[in-house]
Amino acid sequence: GAVVSQHPSRVICKSGTSVKIECRSLDFQATTMFWYRQFPKKSLMLMATSNEGSKATYEQGVEKDKFLINHASLTLSTLTVTSAHPEDSSFYICSGGRNTEAFFGQGTRLTVV
Amino acid sequence: RKEVEQDPGPFNVPEGATVAFNCTYSNSASQSFFWYRQDCRKEPKLLMSVYSSGNEDGRFTAQLNRASQYISLLIRDSKLSDSATYLCVVSTSRDTGRRALTFGSGTRLQVQP
Repeated sequence: GAVVSQHPSRVICKSGTSVKIECRSLDFQATTMFWYRQFPKKSLMLMATSNEGSKATYEQGVEKDKFLINHASLTLSTLTVTSAHPEDSSFYICSGGRNTEAFFGQGTRLTVV
Repeated sequence: RKEVEQDPGPFNVPEGATVAFNCTYSNSASQSFFWYRQDCRKEPKLLMSVYSSGNEDGRFTAQLNRASQYISLLIRDSKLSDSATYLCVVSTSRDTGRRALTFGSGTRLQVQP
């Protein structure tokens, strides 16, 4: 099946710093990728839709200036958490789809201290 | 009201037991339905798609009732390795490359020896 690779899998950063998370589709071209966030014991919640060559679409309540998304190629989308705060600590996961199946990255566990 | 609601769990069952999970969704425009499995601190993995005619994959049987907007998953002869969180997932598109997925909050299953 198709593979989506996400990196890094785990990151610990200091408050105020920025963290970039990469999501690559390894064997298919993804014009659209999705970024989700999952807090402990909660569901995955859609943060934004990443569109190749155009601006991302953010869900209500997600700050676009804080969560910068870049989708410059058909195989790479990045999410940058800017000026991270402890409340941004969460599990971030990307996905891309082909036909009727969605493929998920391995997820990134972000801890802001 | 949540878009996808699931049994809160956790379900603690002995090996060999049969366990059933229920899910309801609120968006009548939903087109695709899935059960995903998520292990602790991991990405969700597709368990099975769900069709109106019902479908079975080994010990797993999924049912969809569009009129009631209800989805179920039955696991027979539970194994220790079935311990995980089971996510009910819907999409308003058949092409999951174009639309994000909506996740339920998940039901945790713990199979005990």
